[in-house]
Amino acid sequence: QQQVRQSPQSLTVWEGETAILNCSYEDSTFDYFPWYWQFPRESPALLIAIRPVSNKKEDGRFTIFFNKREKKLSLHITDSQPGDSATYFCAASMGTNTGKLTFGDGTVLTVKP
Amino acid sequence: EAAVTQSPRSKVAVTGGKVTLSCHQTNNHDYMYWYRQDTGHGLRLIHYSYVADSTEKGDIPDGYKASRPSQENFSLILELASLSQTAVYFCASRTENTEVFFGKGTRLTVV
Repeated sequence: QQQVRQSPQSLTVWEGETAILNCSYEDSTFDYFPWYWQFPRESPALLIAIRPVSNKKEDGRFTIFFNKREKKLSLHITDSQPGDSATYFCAASMGTNTGKLTFGDGTVLTVKP
Repeated sequence: EAAVTQSPRSKVAVTGGKVTLSCHQTNNHDYMYWYRQDTGHGLRLIHYSYVADSTEKGDIPDGYKASRPSQENFSLILELASLSQTAVYFCASRTENTEVFFGKGTRLTVV
């Protein structure tokens, strides 16, 4: 059973639109949820992260909305730019102890100019 | 920014051969990890370590060993490489506040 699920698998938006990427998880003990983005042939890089004490985390054009009761979160990218085209991974970990991350399979975002 | 260096960056190995992937960090981080990524999928944890001379199994440890001879170095060892181990391997280290930094990856092809 996959612990972290992402949808859609791929998403295409026009420049300037808002892209919404979804994530859900199974284990209620997860308490740290980072989003990573990955460009082709590069390593994943931390984009933004949230802990369940908050239901929203904003960083510029990127916002995480978190629903603890439903075990769902989403990443909203406003005013999408072609440079935002990448694969976005939702991840989760249990506590600050081991830091082990469980990743979803990613959403491939394409922003058309 | 945190520096995690992997070597080699790519490797072709023969089935049944031994492969060693190396990772070096200069961040003084306690935790280090090895993940593998298959095309079109997310990363999966193979082994991790929180202190020198100690390693722990991750989610998919079968067919892999790990070695942490010092705080800075963490190796992943495939004693008998198999075709199914063709993947990109990422090493990572973690800061005190939980942020994980990844190396640039090693592309391993087993033929």
